[in-house]
Amino acid sequence: SAVISQKPSRDICQRGTSLTIQCQVDSQVTMMFWYRQQPGQSLTLIATANQGSEATYESGFVIDKFPISRPNLTFSTLTVSNMSPEDSSIYLCSVVGGVPDTQYFGPGTRLTVL
Amino acid sequence: QKEVEQNSGPLSVPEGAIASLNCTYSDRGSQSFFWYRQYSGKSPELIMFIYSNGDKEDGRFTAQLNKASQYVSLLIRDSQPSDSATYLCAVERFTGTASKLTFGTGTRLQVTL
Repeated sequence: SAVISQKPSRDICQRGTSLTIQCQVDSQVTMMFWYRQQPGQSLTLIATANQGSEATYESGFVIDKFPISRPNLTFSTLTVSNMSPEDSSIYLCSVVGGVPDTQYFGPGTRLTVL
Repeated sequence: QKEVEQNSGPLSVPEGAIASLNCTYSDRGSQSFFWYRQYSGKSPELIMFIYSNGDKEDGRFTAQLNKASQYVSLLIRDSQPSDSATYLCAVERFTGTASKLTFGTGTRLQVTL
């Protein structure tokens, strides 16, 4: 499976600021996703990061709040904008790989908003 | 009704016993089913996937799928303390141009000495 890294691993941010999370994969992948895992909850898909085009957002998530970039097949960023304490969560990127196609997750970014 | 349902637990089993984790799903169009293990503070790790009705074994793990009953389970034989984690059931559905995973809330497993 692909090796996935995320930066930062954790951060503490002030209300109203923005944070950009980076996801780097060691091989080219077609599909990349961004998930959120709030405390004590399961994973919720935020969006599919599409290379060369706008991300596809799930219901309840909007581009203004969670802008996503995917400049190439190995890298993506997720920005959490105008943060509030409700955005405190773990943010995970995932990629599809292997035979058959399965999703693998990065180590996650633990975000705390004060 | 939740799309993917799991008992949150904790499920407590003694070391060496069989742990049985269950998951039901609502979408009959679901095609692939995954079990992920998540240790506290870590990201989910894929341990099993299953596509066809019946059993699939991999070491101490057996996944069971019954599409008619919309039910998938994970059996862990000879449970070890290192198996203590949250187990997430995920269901995949193809939407024409893409596939999406929907996760259950997870079952916390505790293997006691």
